[in-house]
Amino acid sequence: VLTQTPLSLSVTPGQPASISCKSSQSLLRSGGRTYFFWYVQKPGQPPQLLISEVSTRFPGVPDRFSGSASGTDFTLDISRVEAEDAGVYYCMQSMQLPLTFGGGTKLEIK
Amino acid sequence: EVQLAASGGALIQPGGSLRLSCAGSGFTFSHYWMHWVRQVPGKGLEWLCRIKNDGSIVDYADSAKGRFAISRDNAKNTLALQMNSLRVEDTAVYFCTSEQFWGRGTLVTVSS
Repeated sequence: VLTQTPLSLSVTPGQPASISCKSSQSLLRSGGRTYFFWYVQKPGQPPQLLISEVSTRFPGVPDRFSGSASGTDFTLDISRVEAEDAGVYYCMQSMQLPLTFGGGTKLEIK
Repeated sequence: EVQLAASGGALIQPGGSLRLSCAGSGFTFSHYWMHWVRQVPGKGLEWLCRIKNDGSIVDYADSAKGRFAISRDNAKNTLALQMNSLRVEDTAVYFCTSEQFWGRGTLVTVSS
C-alpha cells in the first residue's frame, strides 16, 4: 500500500512544493534498482511520467522536479512551482505485485 | 512521436463482455512490458494487469483475475484486454501504458 500525502496543496508560483508517498513495505531490490515512479495527470489527459526509479527525471521534465527516498518514504519535490504544474500527482511502485498507486495529490496554483 | 491509444470502450450491460485494444507507435513496442490501468472518473488510478515484452508472463490484480485476459501482438504493436462478466464497478476509463508512455484512455460503462 502506498499512502500519499497531502491530499491537496495550494502553492504560490515560485514557491516549493513537496509530496510524500509512504510504502507499507520495503521496495528495495537486491540489484539496487527501485521501480518507483511519479506521474502527473492534467484534466482530460492520461498520466505523464515525471520520475522513474525514484529519482531519474524522464526526458523533457524540468529540473525543478526531483525525487528522493529514505527507507520506505518517497518524496517528490518541486523547487519552484509554476502555473503549468497544476494537476494531480500520483506515485506508483512496480516492485511488488500488485502494482499500486498512491491516492493522488491535487496541486493547485494560487 | 510516441503514441498509444486505447479503443473499444462502450456501454455494456452487466454480465457482458468487451475487448479493448491499444495501438502503439513511435517506440519499440516489443521491448516493453505493457499494462492496463483504469480510472473511475474523478478518482485515482488502479492497476489491472501486465504482460511481459515477449508475452511469456502475465500478472493480474485481484479485481481482474479470472475475468480479464491481457494479450499482445508484437508484430502489429497492439495490446488487448478481454473483459468478461463485467460488473457495474468496472465502469472506468481504461488506459494502456508501458509505465513510461501512456495512451489516451477509452471509457467503459457497465450499466443496465
